[in-house]
Amino acid sequence: DGGITQSPKYLFRKEGQNVTLSCEQNLNHDAMYWYRQDPGQGLRLIYYSQIVNDFQKGDIAEGYSVSREKKESFPLTVTSAQKNPTAFYLCASFGLAGVPGELFFGEGSRLTVL
Amino acid sequence: KQEVTQIPAALSVPEGENLVLNCSFTDSAIYNLQWFRQDPGKGLTSLLLIQSSQREQTSGRLNASLDKSSGRSTLYIAASQPGDSATYLCAVMGTTDSWGKLQFGAGTQVVVTP
Repeated sequence: DGGITQSPKYLFRKEGQNVTLSCEQNLNHDAMYWYRQDPGQGLRLIYYSQIVNDFQKGDIAEGYSVSREKKESFPLTVTSAQKNPTAFYLCASFGLAGVPGELFFGEGSRLTVL
Repeated sequence: KQEVTQIPAALSVPEGENLVLNCSFTDSAIYNLQWFRQDPGKGLTSLLLIQSSQREQTSGRLNASLDKSSGRSTLYIAASQPGDSATYLCAVMGTTDSWGKLQFGAGTQVVVTP
């Protein structure tokens, strides 16, 4: 089955630690995105990548880093510089030949800072 | 900057009633508007996508309308069922945005009681 796999589903982090969230897709989609969701707020874009080895900052990139070495994979690192990392993180992908804006989402990763 | 608002934030209806969910946006220069469903702790599932040139889209019991000039969209769910209980989010893609850069509302949490 084609889809987007995020792991881990739940992650706990101590303050000062970096953590990496995994996102893998087998949809052969060109573009991938990371969104952050906080209670009572809409999703906010962290980073996105439309092609391998290239990515752009979204609206809230500070304290995060990404890489896009393979088309299928777009991992997100939450660094110790991110002041309030506790949130629900969603990865999405989009085929550039598809309907513009029609994103497919993974099941999310919930990060809690202890 | 595009702002997307969904009112009310929460809604409870008895089974069988029709649901009416509202979404407003401040910048009418949109490429499309999309409605998503999110179950607790899960990712987003696309329900309907309306292109800016369209007035409405329908899928089964769901109907979404778009009035770009007034910056409004409405999602109608006919004959609600307990399985419709979820959070519904709307998102717009602006005409100057890269593909996949969506601006989300905070969502309306719906509870359908048996």
